[in-house]
Amino acid sequence: DIELTQSPSSLSASVGERVTITCRSSQTISTYLNWYQQKPGKAPKLLIYASRGLQSGVPRRFSGSGSGTDFTLTISGLQPEDFATYYCQQSYNPYRAFGQGTKVEIK
Amino acid sequence: EEQLLESGGGLVQPGGSLRLSCAASGFLFGNNAMSWVRQAPGKGLEWVSTITGSADQKYYADSVEGRFTISRDNSRNTLYLQINSPRAEDTAVYYCAKDGYSSGWPVFDFWGQGTLVTVSS
Repeated sequence: DIELTQSPSSLSASVGERVTITCRSSQTISTYLNWYQQKPGKAPKLLIYASRGLQSGVPRRFSGSGSGTDFTLTISGLQPEDFATYYCQQSYNPYRAFGQGTKVEIK
Repeated sequence: EEQLLESGGGLVQPGGSLRLSCAASGFLFGNNAMSWVRQAPGKGLEWVSTITGSADQKYYADSVEGRFTISRDNSRNTLYLQINSPRAEDTAVYYCAKDGYSSGWPVFDFWGQGTLVTVSS
């Protein structure tokens, strides 16, 4: 089974800061890595697909990178609406595991 | 407009059974694989199960294999999750999600709002 490990589990940041979240896969998954944002009480929302593809409608301050086993989600210039929990997910095989999540809180 | 509406959640006793439904509209349901994802209170997302569009392939997380059954009725545009012998650790909000593609890459591109399952005596 593919396992995804995110770091950090949580972070505090100020509006305008640059934030980086990492996701490490237990096996190589090429670029089959997606990122989702979830706000309290809401369903997750797709942000990034295939490691670096920006989903339609998602602000350009969100970016992704990586391949193989190591991936990164970057938010360049954190906005108030970005305070949420972020999850990575592998789509390399049908067993679509998620990372444990990274909660981004206001400093 | 795409829509996914889950129902069937509620309180169930350990060892009982429950069937969740997810009614889909706004897209060609039979052309898409569909999945269930759950989230225990205060915890992260856990992928539970996926079924292909024609229902010829089904995949389960180890934590539910043998107890949960995913199915679909393409004539009714409805996805199901049969939960048998639930345990306290199955308590969660259960989301259905549409398996789509972004520029040809597989994603969960649309989600329902979830239904809460509470396992307790």
